[in-house]
Parts: sequence; structure tokens; C-alpha cells
Amino acid sequence: QKEVEQDPGPLSVPEGAIVSLNCTYSNSAFQYFMWYRQYSRKGPELLMYTYSSGNKEDGRFTAQVDKSSKYISLFIRDSQPSDSATYLCAMRYNQGGKLIFGQGTELSVKP
Amino acid sequence: DAGITQSPRHKVTETGTPVTLRCHQTENHRYMYWYRQDPGHGLRLIHYSYGVKDTDKGEVSDGYSVSRSKTEDFLLTLESATSSQTSVYFCAISESKGLAGSSYNEQFFGPGTRLTVL
Repeated sequence: QKEVEQDPGPLSVPEGAIVSLNCTYSNSAFQYFMWYRQYSRKGPELLMYTYSSGNKEDGRFTAQVDKSSKYISLFIRDSQPSDSATYLCAMRYNQGGKLIFGQGTELSVKP
Repeated sequence: DAGITQSPRHKVTETGTPVTLRCHQTENHRYMYWYRQDPGHGLRLIHYSYGVKDTDKGEVSDGYSVSRSKTEDFLLTLESATSSQTSVYFCAISESKGLAGSSYNEQFFGPGTRLTVL
């Protein structure tokens, strides 16, 4: 069983929809949680970062961490075609820097 | 964009040949990483470096070696390429930054190298 599980999709939504992307994990020692966005044939770029539990909002994006359920989410409001990309969750145990990634979810937002 | 370049960007080689991929950074970051990305597996860490001549293995290090003789360059070598090493390889860099109550260590990724082993 993988330490981090993520539904690979693909997920297709109409423009303006609310998108929910999720990851589950098995190790309760994870403390740092990240979401990366990766456009086709590009490297991933950091989108959101959360330490421990709680919510974090940045514009149309909200990241949630529920450590009791070992579940993290990324919400995208008013989705745009430019949000079409693969979204990868990532997490790590401590300050050491090694990241464990989910498989990535491919999102397509249709005009 | 963080100053990270990877070379070559595309390579086709044959089974059994040695291959070296190069990652070059202009940010003077301490940490450098090599990942591979495959469908159904996401990004998996091959090797990483925490300083010049200081390297360690990741989760999929078999068949790969690395070297870092200068801060700015991190080389990944496939000693004898196999078809299972066909993948997209990403280099990443990071530098620890302290925030109150936590430690923040954003990794910046390069553009990737597409390697095909026939």
C-alpha cells in the first residue's frame, strides 16, 4: 500500500465549477502538506503549503488538512480553463525536506 | 522562475548504455534532488544531495548513481540503462527557510528530461 493515495482522474468540470481534489495517507507522522500544480510537459510548482492541521486560503484556492482522518483536500473555486493541469499532493515528516508525493490528479476545466 | 536547467531535455538511448543527466542551478541552494515521474506512481525520489559531495539514497535508487562536485551541479548517472528506466526525470532544489512554529522548505523543480531506453 502506498503511503499517499490520490485518485489519478482524469477529472473534467465546466468553467466556474468548484473543484475538490483529495489525498489520503497512512502515516500519522506527516506534518507538512503541500499541493503542487503541474502543467503539461512542465515541472511541478508549489501551489499551497500547510503545516499540521487546519485550513489555508489563497485567492480561489483553499487547502484543508484533517490529521484525525489522514485526509487532505484542495478546493478550487470559480475554476478557469487555465486551472487545467495535474495536481499533486505531497507531504513530509519533518524539516528534512524529503517529500512523498501522491500519484497526481489530472484536471480539465472546459470553457 | 528558479534558475534550474536540465540537460539534455530529451534523450533516446539503447539498453546497456551509460547515460548522464545534468542539473544546473544558479540559486546557490544547498539541497538538490533527482526524481522520476511515471504514470500511476507520481514523483519518486531517486537520490538527493545536502551539500557538495554529500548525497543520500531515495526510495528508487537502484541502478542510479549521483555526484555533486560543485554547489551548482548535480549529475544523475544510469550506469547501464534498462527499459524500466524510461521515464521523465526532474531535478529540484531547495533551501530551508524558517517560519514561526514551522520549517518551510519549498522545492523548485526544473523543466524535466524525457529519457527513452529502447
